[in-house]
Amino acid sequence: QLQLQESGPGLVKPSETLSLTCTVSGGPISSRSYYWGWIRQPPEKGLEWIGSIFYNGNTFYNSSLKSRVTILVDPSKNQFSLEVRSVTAADTAVYYCARQYLTAFDFWGQGSLVTVS
Amino acid sequence: SYVVTQPPSVSVAPGQTAKITCGGNSIGTKSVNWYQQKPGQAPVLVVSVDSDRPSGMPERFSGSNSGNTATLSISRVEAGDEADYYCQVWDTTNDPAGVFGGGTKLTVL
Repeated sequence: QLQLQESGPGLVKPSETLSLTCTVSGGPISSRSYYWGWIRQPPEKGLEWIGSIFYNGNTFYNSSLKSRVTILVDPSKNQFSLEVRSVTAADTAVYYCARQYLTAFDFWGQGSLVTVS
Repeated sequence: SYVVTQPPSVSVAPGQTAKITCGGNSIGTKSVNWYQQKPGQAPVLVVSVDSDRPSGMPERFSGSNSGNTATLSISRVEAGDEADYYCQVWDTTNDPAGVFGGGTKLTVL
């Protein structure tokens, strides 16, 4: 069964860079059938798509975050990662990684709470 | 950018059918996906491509999409269906982008 697990610091200082890694198990990240995405959810708020990446590095980003976000993929480690630069309190959220099949996110990690303070 | 709109809340009695809507300009031309999220848990895909159910998802969950409104229907509602529900589309008007609705809290009375 496919599993995704987010990892990274739970606390980041304002103006610094938030970095998270998603480790995929139970299937290859290099499959040509899937993109891999990051989605976040501020406390008590809704879901926000951050961006998605293909195994060859092709990426799509939310236009509202594009200037501060980088998503990378490492097929050799079966991982993909997220960086958000110049963070503020508004970036405090639970960050989810997920597998994207066509337009839907069909497998999700459990989420990682990142607090900016 | 594309916007999808959901009602903040829907209430339904057990055993009845809940309908949660997702509005957007010509949303009927897009594929709509629906997610269920219970407190403290990650979202779970319940309907994809307007009306497809993932393996293992009960037949009580169904979807439709036409014109400017997509609808998630949950028949024979149970207490365990109480959750937040989100619709999501993939917008290719400009650069491809995922778009989520604001979410609907389903309360089982």
